[in-house]
Amino acid sequence: GEDVEQSLFLSVREGDSSVINCTYTDSSSTYLYWYKQEPGAGLQLLTYIFSNMDMKQDQRLTVLLNKKDKHLSLRIADTQTGDSAIYFCAEGTQTGANNLFFGTGTRLTVIP
Amino acid sequence: DTAVSQTPKYLVTQMGNDKSIKCEQNLGHDTMYWYKQDSKKFLKIMFSYNNKELIINETVPNRFSPKSPDKAHLNLHINSLELGDSAVYFCASSLNWAGVETQYFGPGTRLLVL
Repeated sequence: GEDVEQSLFLSVREGDSSVINCTYTDSSSTYLYWYKQEPGAGLQLLTYIFSNMDMKQDQRLTVLLNKKDKHLSLRIADTQTGDSAIYFCAEGTQTGANNLFFGTGTRLTVIP
Repeated sequence: DTAVSQTPKYLVTQMGNDKSIKCEQNLGHDTMYWYKQDSKKFLKIMFSYNNKELIINETVPNRFSPKSPDKAHLNLHINSLELGDSAVYFCASSLNWAGVETQYFGPGTRLLVL
């Protein structure tokens, strides 16, 4: 399968910005996603970006895509304690229904 | 040594039929999930079971009925299949329900309704 890598842990103080990074290997990726997993819940889609975009903003979330370096990041502005969760990066292509590859997830801990 | 397995891998059927997809995990996990992946590759959770008990039941037509005979299995039965049910269905499992645990996904079942 494709490699999607993320750092495992990130701690930030409440009110600061969080930046979660992801690198991937498949240059044919069509969509790149960020999912959030809260305690006791399934994966929830947070946001996504098409591979022909380099930035997408959605309220407190900013997604940056550097296609040349195959690097995706998720910035959460004004991080709140409710943002504590695991964040998964995933890449998908259109060349097959099962081509959705997840990273290992980054556990974000927000310190009050 | 497959961790989360699903059968069948592909399923092509006519509208109106009833079909089942099976999922098994050999990880000793307590919690299992069903997700639907649409044409844009968005994964949406449908159901979650913990120790054979239903935990999450998202807004899913009641034609979809999950069944967990034991905590290693979570099957998905679909009645009166419709064209819009065509998608890839992923099963997943995690260690438990308390706290945040990484989910391990099966390979997916591609359902095509004609």
